[in-house]
Amino acid sequence: DTAVSQTPKYLVTQMGNDKSIKCEQNLGHDTMYWYKQDSKKFLKIMFSYNNKELIINETVPNRFSPKSPDKAHLNLHINSLELGDSAVYFCASSRTPDAGYTFGSGTRLTVV
Amino acid sequence: KQEVTQIPAALSVPEGENLVLNCSFTDSAIYNLQWFRQDPGKGLTSLLLIQSSQREQTSGRLNASLDKSSGRSTLYIAASQPGDSATYLCAVHGYSGAGSYQLTFGKGTKLSVIP
Repeated sequence: DTAVSQTPKYLVTQMGNDKSIKCEQNLGHDTMYWYKQDSKKFLKIMFSYNNKELIINETVPNRFSPKSPDKAHLNLHINSLELGDSAVYFCASSRTPDAGYTFGSGTRLTVV
Repeated sequence: KQEVTQIPAALSVPEGENLVLNCSFTDSAIYNLQWFRQDPGKGLTSLLLIQSSQREQTSGRLNASLDKSSGRSTLYIAASQPGDSATYLCAVHGYSGAGSYQLTFGKGTKLSVIP
């Protein structure tokens, strides 16, 4: 009965690989987000989707491509992984773009 | 561009004390403000959500206030317990243009409650 679930929880991969992180919410929310938490623990928005449409792309390299097959899912695909991509990635959702957020438990990505 | 500052960055208190965490933001045109808790290696747990029209919200031993005009919020924790030890994050929700809304986070206050 997890509200916002992300898989995998941990991901270790080599530079240059392509990987995906999946996110699903069962709250019936219309808006979903991806946030990145860097090594200094600072959280910054990457993408925002409302009803499967991209509404925010915050100067994220185009190696990062979000995909929303339906309102309940927002997956993050990353091409040609770099060392600097190592971080914790959080998925979140909200009922409307201006409502409170519910976060997933995060995916710790380590690029070696 | 919205900026959120949290003071102090870290705080250590003995068990049982009451404490206040501070959050300030630069753009008062916000929709709401949300306080989260993050335990080491874990996700974010929402503690309190205050809409821009509200002055405060309470949940158990937690009370959050909002003064939108001055760009300030406080999180008051009563009778602190060791289980309250975590990083507390303040996030403000505002309009960022072109039909998009954005939650902007502070860098957090790391709280340690000493038994």
